[in-house]
Amino acid sequence: DAKTTQPTSMDCAEGRAANLPCNHSTISGNEYVYWYRQIHSQGPQYIIHGLKNNETNEMASLIITEDRKSSTLILPHATLRDTAVYYCIVRVANTGNQFYFGTGTSLTVIP
Amino acid sequence: ETGVTQSPTHLIKTRGQQVTLRCSSQSGHNTVSWYQQALGQGPQFIFQYYREEENGRGNFPPRFSGLQFPNYSSELNVNALELDDSALYLCASSPQGRGVSYNEQFFGPGTRLTVL
Repeated sequence: DAKTTQPTSMDCAEGRAANLPCNHSTISGNEYVYWYRQIHSQGPQYIIHGLKNNETNEMASLIITEDRKSSTLILPHATLRDTAVYYCIVRVANTGNQFYFGTGTSLTVIP
Repeated sequence: ETGVTQSPTHLIKTRGQQVTLRCSSQSGHNTVSWYQQALGQGPQFIFQYYREEENGRGNFPPRFSGLQFPNYSSELNVNALELDDSALYLCASSPQGRGVSYNEQFFGPGTRLTVL
C-alpha cells in the first residue's frame, strides 16, 4: 500500500537543480522516507533516506518538512544521466524492511 | 564485493506453465525481497525471506512461492502462469532483517518474464 503521492512527470534543464516533491501526509513518527530511482527498467538504485532531519550525500539532498508530511529530493546539478523514474517510499513500520513503491515521478533532463 | 545477481535475464513461458527465478544476494546480506514490476508501474512487494524463513508477504496468491537457502540465495517460483504475470521480477537484498529501523535494499537487474 503506497503511502506517498508524487507528480507523474517533470522536466528539468541540464545543469539546473531538479526538485522532486513527495507528499506523505499519513507518515508515522518512526517511519523513514527513502528515495530510489530506476533507469530504463534496470533495478532501482538507492539515492538517500531520512527520518526527520535534512540529509545530503554525494548524489542528492533530502529536505523533510518539520511536520514530516512532505519531502523534496534535490539533484543539485541535473545531468542527462539523471533521466529516470524517481520513487519516494515510506517504509511501513513493523514490516521489517519491506518497501511499498508508488508509481514515481518520471524526470526528464533536457539538454 | 559482488552485487545482487539474478538469472535468467529474460524468460518466455506459456500460460499454465511453472517458472523458477533465481537471485544471489550481495555478500553479507541475509535478507532477500522479491518484487513484481508490471510495465509502467512501480515495483510491487511479493515477499521477503530472512534467514530462510518468510518474513512478510504482499498481496499475491499462493501460487507465488519462494525459498531461501543457507547461503542466503533465493528462488521465486510461480505456478500456473497467467498472462498478467508478465513483468520484470526484481530481487533485493539487505544486510539485516527483523527489528531494524532503517535498512537500505540493494536491487538486482531483474528477470523479464513474458507469458504467452
